[in-house]
Amino acid sequence: QKEVEQDPGPLSVPEGAIVSLNCTYSNSAFQYFMWYRQYSRKGPELLMYTYSSGNKEDGRFTAQVDKSSKYISLFIRDSQPSDSATYLCAMSAGTGGFKTIFGAGTRLFVKA
Amino acid sequence: SAVISQKPSRDICQRGTSLTIQCQVDSQVTMMFWYRQQPGQSLTLIATANQGSEATYESGFVIDKFPISRPNLTFSTLTVSNMSPEDSSIYLCSVVSGQGRDYGYTFGSGTRLTVV
Repeated sequence: QKEVEQDPGPLSVPEGAIVSLNCTYSNSAFQYFMWYRQYSRKGPELLMYTYSSGNKEDGRFTAQVDKSSKYISLFIRDSQPSDSATYLCAMSAGTGGFKTIFGAGTRLFVKA
Repeated sequence: SAVISQKPSRDICQRGTSLTIQCQVDSQVTMMFWYRQQPGQSLTLIATANQGSEATYESGFVIDKFPISRPNLTFSTLTVSNMSPEDSSIYLCSVVSGQGRDYGYTFGSGTRLTVV
C-alpha cells in the first residue's frame, strides 16, 4: 500500500462547478498537509498548506484535513478554465528534515 | 519565496550518454532537493544536496548513477549518467520555502528528459 493515494483522474467539470479533490494516507504521523498545482510543462507550485486537522480557506480554495479518517480534500469553488492543471497532495510528519510524500496527482480539466 | 532557474528545460539524449541538469536559486539555501516525476507517478525524491558535504541519496538511487554537485549555497547540478530509456522522466530541483504556516517547497520548472 502506498503511503499516499490519490485518484489520477482525469476529472472534467464545466466552468463554475465546485471541484473536490481528495487524498488518503496511511501514516498517522503526518502533521503537515499541502496541495500543489502543476501546469503543463511547469514545476509544482504550493497552493495551500495546512497543519494538523481542520479547514483553511484562501479565496476560491478550501483545504480540509480529517486526521481521524486519514483523508484530505481540496475544494475549488466557481472553477475556471485557468484552474485546469494537475493537483498534487503532499504531506510530512514535520518540517526541517522530515521527508515529504507526494500523491501522484489528479489531472483536472475545467471546460468553458 | 525563492525563484529557481533550471536548465535545460528539455533534452533528447542517446542511451549510454550523460546529461547534467543545472539549478540556480536566487537566494542562499542550505538544502536543495532533486526529484524525479514519471508519468502517472508521484514525485520521488532522488537526493538532498547539502553545501559542503556529500549528497544524501534515497533508497533506490546511487551516486554513480546520479552524481550531484553543490559548490555553493545557490547552485546545484544533477547528472544522469549512462542513460537508458528507463531514465526518461521529468527531473525537478526544489528548495524549502517559507516558514511556519507558509511552509512548503518551491520547484524549478523541470527538465523533461527523453532517452532514445
